[in-house]
Amino acid sequence: KAGVTQTPRYLIKTRGQQVTLSCSPISGHRSVSWYQQTPGQGLQFLFEYFSETQRNKGNFPGRFSGRQFSNSRSEMNVSTLELGDSALYLCASGTSGGNLGTQYFGPGTRLLVL
Amino acid sequence: AQTVTQSQPEMSVQEAETVTLSCTYDTSENNYYLFWYKQPPSRQMILVIRQEAYKQQNATENRFSVNFQKAAKSFSLKISDSQLGDTAMYFCAFMKGSKLTFGKGITLSVRP
Repeated sequence: KAGVTQTPRYLIKTRGQQVTLSCSPISGHRSVSWYQQTPGQGLQFLFEYFSETQRNKGNFPGRFSGRQFSNSRSEMNVSTLELGDSALYLCASGTSGGNLGTQYFGPGTRLLVL
Repeated sequence: AQTVTQSQPEMSVQEAETVTLSCTYDTSENNYYLFWYKQPPSRQMILVIRQEAYKQQNATENRFSVNFQKAAKSFSLKISDSQLGDTAMYFCAFMKGSKLTFGKGITLSVRP
């Protein structure tokens, strides 16, 4: 089975712009979660989608949003980018989420905001 | 809220030797999962091992094993016969529901 894929792998944006990141889960996985990784804050949970519904949300401002499509692919959007949004964004997929699902990670999208 | 603590920021081990990475967590939950993930310089997060809280038996995966002490809320990872490819950052993580809570990570260097 192919692993989790994320596109693009690298992205450079300027402050105030918006960005959309994409994640394709492992075939058959219906849960997709997003995490932000920075040197200062470490790994932080953004949100999780399951069957096109946001099931859990971390403590991030409303500029961070996401969605999931019927094929389980997910997108994450960040509007009005700030310098502090520079990070590695990791997507993870699981079979069903909850206590049944181990999460498998994609290679990440590295976002640099100038 | 759950917290995960990895108090050692970095460790070094000689190739072929054994090393133990420590992790403690805090939760009021009874049923949950614990994980160790490895992140090499490529930044790809790789699952190393998983432990279900309701299982008393410690999980093992080839050279990797855990010492899970539920009452003490401790979850350490033992790497036997360390290899150069084990050089990476290792994260301990707690999962309840669909959310993973990570520790700060520990940088492990394997010396030839």
